[in-house]
Amino acid sequence: DQQVKQNSPSLSVQEGRISILNCDYTNSMFDYFLWYKKYPAEGPTFLISISSIKDKNEDGRFTVFLNKSAKHLSLHIVPSQPGDSAVYFCAASPWDMRFGAGTRLTVKP
Amino acid sequence: DADVTQTPRNRITKTGKRIMLECSQTKGHDRMYWYRQDPGLGLRLIYYSFDVKDINKGEISDGYSVSRQAQAKFSLSLESAIPNQTALYFCATSVRGTGELFFGEGSRLTVL
Repeated sequence: DQQVKQNSPSLSVQEGRISILNCDYTNSMFDYFLWYKKYPAEGPTFLISISSIKDKNEDGRFTVFLNKSAKHLSLHIVPSQPGDSAVYFCAASPWDMRFGAGTRLTVKP
Repeated sequence: DADVTQTPRNRITKTGKRIMLECSQTKGHDRMYWYRQDPGLGLRLIYYSFDVKDINKGEISDGYSVSRQAQAKFSLSLESAIPNQTALYFCATSVRGTGELFFGEGSRLTVL
């Protein structure tokens, strides 16, 4: 029973355009949401987070949006760069961290 | 040097063998976790520990056991490995209250 779902296994965008990665969750107890980025042969690294009391958090080119009523969050990357090509995991937590299956983002020059 | 170190990085073993994956950290974090990554399933939580005396089962603990030998060390054991335990295993740490996990580089385990 996956409580955090990323339904798009892959996404390809052109350099300079916007990348939008989506995530849905089922457990209303989740109160903290995070995005992680993973390059091959490395462990995931933290990218950005949002608390359930907010609906938006921005950090440079990265913005996370949270829609609690829809149990949906998204990560926007603007502008996308080739170095952003990686697998992105959505995660949610009340106390232990649950992850989605990941979305592989490819940014083409 | 990495803040979260996993050993071994790669291991090939046979069905029925006992295998231990070790994790050590220099971040001084209280909380430690073991995840496994499988294609199409993302990262799934096996066990987690909020301090030396606290061990909790995650989503998929069957077939695994853990030991928290010290604040800095958290080991994962497969008492009798089976082929569907072939996966990439990650150790992670966190500080209470932030939610942010710090991952090791992973241990790739193949069970033949």
